[in-house]
Amino acid sequence: DTGVSQNPRHKITKRGQNVTFRCDPISEHNRLYWYRQTLGQGPEFLTYFQNEAQLEKSRLLSDRFSAERPKGSFSTLEIQRTEQGDSAMYLCASSYSRSGGADEQFFGPGTRLTVL
Amino acid sequence: SQQGEEDPQALSIQEGENATMNCSYKTSINNLQWYRQNSGRGLVHLILIRSNEREKHSGRLRVTLDTSKKSSSLLITASRAADTASYFCATRDSSYKLIFGSGTRLLVRP
Repeated sequence: DTGVSQNPRHKITKRGQNVTFRCDPISEHNRLYWYRQTLGQGPEFLTYFQNEAQLEKSRLLSDRFSAERPKGSFSTLEIQRTEQGDSAMYLCASSYSRSGGADEQFFGPGTRLTVL
Repeated sequence: SQQGEEDPQALSIQEGENATMNCSYKTSINNLQWYRQNSGRGLVHLILIRSNEREKHSGRLRVTLDTSKKSSSLLITASRAADTASYFCATRDSSYKLIFGSGTRLLVRP
């Protein structure tokens, strides 16, 4: 399978607990992105990495959120002290940078988080 | 916040008919991309059009881009029941993040 994979696919947690999601990008892709999508809306950008460097973070990414890509391959997104408003689909995407900037982003299936 | 708006928000057509969705955006872009999302699933990349292109085709898909009006349209010809999904436009500016619209929910009736 050469697509983007995400684990777990579903996560149910109680308010106040910490959760961690994992994303494995397409192997030759150097950019990795995290988005969040709530019901009936388009995805909203959270953060992105080029190799292991985190280059941009959205204001949506409060201090309870942290993302890492330690070796420039897989990435983790951790949410501390979860709140009910964190319930959403968390999507990961990856792309390969090329000249001209026409780098399509390929998305994983997402992790659906439900905070009770 | 969302970059732009898709129009219409929802569209219901008969199989075999053409479906047209429009997208408007607010800022200068490097490229614009269209994605499809089936219920509760990840997004599938359909087509990318660069800011210096005006029209692009891929199979039954035709995308146009008018940068002076900051708008794009996606045409699906000869629709099939399997085309039922939500369709999103997404713009990329000088950074690499995508900014998505709110989507058009397409229902193709068999």
